[in-house]
Amino acid sequence: DTAVSQTPKYLVTQMGNDKSIKCEQNLGHDTMYWYKQDSKKFLKIMFSYNNKELIINETVPNRFSPKSPDKAHLNLHINSLELGDSAVYFCASSRTFLGRESSYEQYFGPGTRLTVT
Amino acid sequence: ELKVEQNPLFLSMQEGKNYTIYCNYSTTSDRLYWYRQDPGKSLESLFVLLSNGAVKQEGRLMASLDTKARLSTLHITAAVHDLSATYFCAVGIYTSGTYKYIFGTGTRLKVLA
Repeated sequence: DTAVSQTPKYLVTQMGNDKSIKCEQNLGHDTMYWYKQDSKKFLKIMFSYNNKELIINETVPNRFSPKSPDKAHLNLHINSLELGDSAVYFCASSRTFLGRESSYEQYFGPGTRLTVT
Repeated sequence: ELKVEQNPLFLSMQEGKNYTIYCNYSTTSDRLYWYRQDPGKSLESLFVLLSNGAVKQEGRLMASLDTKARLSTLHITAAVHDLSATYFCAVGIYTSGTYKYIFGTGTRLKVLA
């Protein structure tokens, strides 16, 4: 069973288009994340949701809009795609932070490689 | 702003040799994570270090944490080709009511046969 899954795995599209990436986790976690990994492998958090509520929104263009229909799903919609959006987008999940007792380990999806031409 | 720096960024080593990857971070944290990423693949969790002085070992990899020095190390013993990958450290911090993970720049390791 895949713990964190993403679709599609590859996405090739033209500038100006709108696209969505979907993420689902079956780990029972209530916090989910989107990360962007650029061509230099640098990994940067974009958004985080906890129980369908947005809790982290880094400095990301408002062309990017996350949506969480329930705590097992977190989708990412991107409007008016630009060349600079080309990257690998990773979804991840973890338990909610409740205190010092736990590791709060993150589990990552397989990634979606987005190429904008 | 929290910074997490790894060095070296690139590491090419011969099989059988030992080496250490360093992860420095700029603010107080008591959770430190190490991940491995193979080319074109996702991130795989290697270690979670929860307290000062924590040491964990798995096969040829050993990770340690010194929270006072704000330093974690990933030591590779007698490297083999299969260890070739990019290794990331990440710091977990609780700030402004949320828990965040800040990733280091990654160390691209190539083990030469």
